[in-house]
Amino acid sequence: DAGVIQSPRHEVTEMGQEVTLRCKPISGHDYLFWYRQTMMRGLELLIYFNNNVPIDDSGMPEDRFSAKMPNASFSTLKIQPSEPRDSAVYFCASSLKGTAKAFFGQGTRLTVV
Amino acid sequence: GENVEQHPSTLSVQEGDSAVIKCTYSDSASNYFPWYKQELGKGPQLIIDIRSNVGEKKDQRIAVTLNKTAKHFSLHITETQPEDSAVYFCAASGNTPLVFGKGTRLSVIA
Repeated sequence: DAGVIQSPRHEVTEMGQEVTLRCKPISGHDYLFWYRQTMMRGLELLIYFNNNVPIDDSGMPEDRFSAKMPNASFSTLKIQPSEPRDSAVYFCASSLKGTAKAFFGQGTRLTVV
Repeated sequence: GENVEQHPSTLSVQEGDSAVIKCTYSDSASNYFPWYKQELGKGPQLIIDIRSNVGEKKDQRIAVTLNKTAKHFSLHITETQPEDSAVYFCAASGNTPLVFGKGTRLSVIA
């Protein structure tokens, strides 16, 4: 398996623009997680899905953030409108049975100018 | 909810020496404790994990110990090598997703 695949690897956008981050989890995994990594706050859980259904989105910072999982092999995280404080590395991870081993993608480094 | 504290935030060791990173957690329901290694520009990679029914686990130069009573667990790396230089994260979970410590930047000096 190729592992968790995220795209794009890098994204630079202007403040106010819409940004969409994409994730393909490991085939057969039934949990998908979106994390954000910053120097100040470390790795923070934003939202997670089980069998394509959002379970807990309490970590989503604002209504500007939304996430979807239309099928078992694809998820998106959207920020609209983007702000400079959204600059961070966003990771997608997947696992079997939720609290078992989580495997991370390579991340998307987002810079909002 | 769960809270994970990790120490130290930075650690420098001479090549060949041992490195120890310590974490504490708050939720007694947590029963799974993985450790991740993150190299520059990459995602965190699982290197070893331990469950609450085990006190110690080893994998070559890496070992983890768990003290459930005290709610702390540690990562031990022996005979460190330059390629061990990275940021290491501990994490904990029970019936909820992983909660991570803030990370330890390990530098192995040749």
